[in-house]
Amino acid sequence: SQQGEEDPQALSIQEGENATMNCSYKTSINNLQWYRQNSGRGLVHLILIRSNEREKHSGRLRVTLDTSKKSSSLLITASRAADTASYFCATLNTGTASKLTFGTGTRLQVTL
Amino acid sequence: DVKVTQSSRYLVKRTGEKVFLECVQDMDHENMFWYRQDPGLGLRLIYFSYDVKMKEKGDIPEGYSVSREKKERFSLILESASTNQTSMYLCASSFRGVNTGELFFGEGSRLTVL
Repeated sequence: SQQGEEDPQALSIQEGENATMNCSYKTSINNLQWYRQNSGRGLVHLILIRSNEREKHSGRLRVTLDTSKKSSSLLITASRAADTASYFCATLNTGTASKLTFGTGTRLQVTL
Repeated sequence: DVKVTQSSRYLVKRTGEKVFLECVQDMDHENMFWYRQDPGLGLRLIYFSYDVKMKEKGDIPEGYSVSREKKERFSLILESASTNQTSMYLCASSFRGVNTGELFFGEGSRLTVL
């Protein structure tokens, strides 16, 4: 069953701006991950944040996690046209070894 | 470089045909997964496997079966394809030892059933 819901469904920004995507989930998790998918391709893992972490950085990516609100956000700073893609959150739920549950995704368009 | 390879990027089949989607990974991962992806629905898990000859149903197993005879290969089978199985199919694998659930995906197989 789908757990993650992402907001917004679609986002259009100009190059150089920051992009923020949000993910909400429903049950207790071990970790939350973000993936990127270029059009018509497979997903690529971006970053993982564990349930006992609140914030994590990787290059231009910043992920936050609020387990009390069951939500996470992905911030891409100084966006580039090459960041145009769909972004998905996925949760590893407590008690479901190795099996991720994906959200519906946010489609990001970065224009020049 | 880690790799998950799906045998066909694009397939067109007719209703009632038997369809095989093959997936091979070269990372010695124990876990393998089949998802389907549809607009607005995200990724939904069809079947997964934690070991050779082992399989478990995911969220939407109806109309599908799987086979895992070798560790590196996980096949998805549509016994009698129907138009509502037109979709993008994604295979993924993960390493059980780390147990973070981090997935490595193939490039996807876009199936059209006429």
